Amino acid sequence: KNEVEQSPQNLTAQEGEFITINCSYSVGISALHWLQQHPGGGIVSLFMLSSGKKKHGRLIATINIQEKHSSLHITASHPRDSAVYICARNQFYFGTGTSLTVIP
Amino acid sequence: DSGVTQTPKHLITATGQRVTLRCSPRSGDLSVYWYQQSLDQGLQFLIQYYNGEERAKGNILERFSAQQFPDLHSELNLSSLELGDSALYFCASSVSSGNSPLHFGNGTRLTVT
Repeated sequence: KNEVEQSPQNLTAQEGEFITINCSYSVGISALHWLQQHPGGGIVSLFMLSSGKKKHGRLIATINIQEKHSSLHITASHPRDSAVYICARNQFYFGTGTSLTVIP
Repeated sequence: DSGVTQTPKHLITATGQRVTLRCSPRSGDLSVYWYQQSLDQGLQFLIQYYNGEERAKGNILERFSAQQFPDLHSELNLSSLELGDSALYFCASSVSSGNSPLHFGNGTRLTVT
């Protein structure tokens, strides 16, 4: 049983579009991580949050603790944003990832 | 650059063999996590060490073991290898034992033939 669910599994967008990736979890957390995995396999940590909202450049992550839900938003998407985005409950439970392709 | 070093990058070995994967955490980080990523299962947490001691255990098989040394580098030992052990193995480090940002190495791609 995967305790972390992501949607959509796959997403194709035109360059410039606003993108939202969703993450739901069934058990309370102390922190929610958003990760980016590039086609070459490397993983980069984007955000760690336990409440509210964080912003870094064109990326915004929000979390609603009561609803056990988090979203990752990408504004003005670019082809270099093409990657797999993974959310994780604490450091231990991972979603299956959302594969994003941004078309020029 | 995350500051986390994993070696080797690629490893090809035969069933039944034993291999050791190595991870050097980012300077100042005391926690090391090991993860397995296979095509059909995504990222799976294996084990965490903090300052030399085992802190948390996930879906780690009995054929697998790990340790963290006094200089904080960590090794993951995989023995009696099976075809199904073929995967990407990542280590990540963080400054504390609880929730803090993770810094990932580039992974070791293990192929068991």
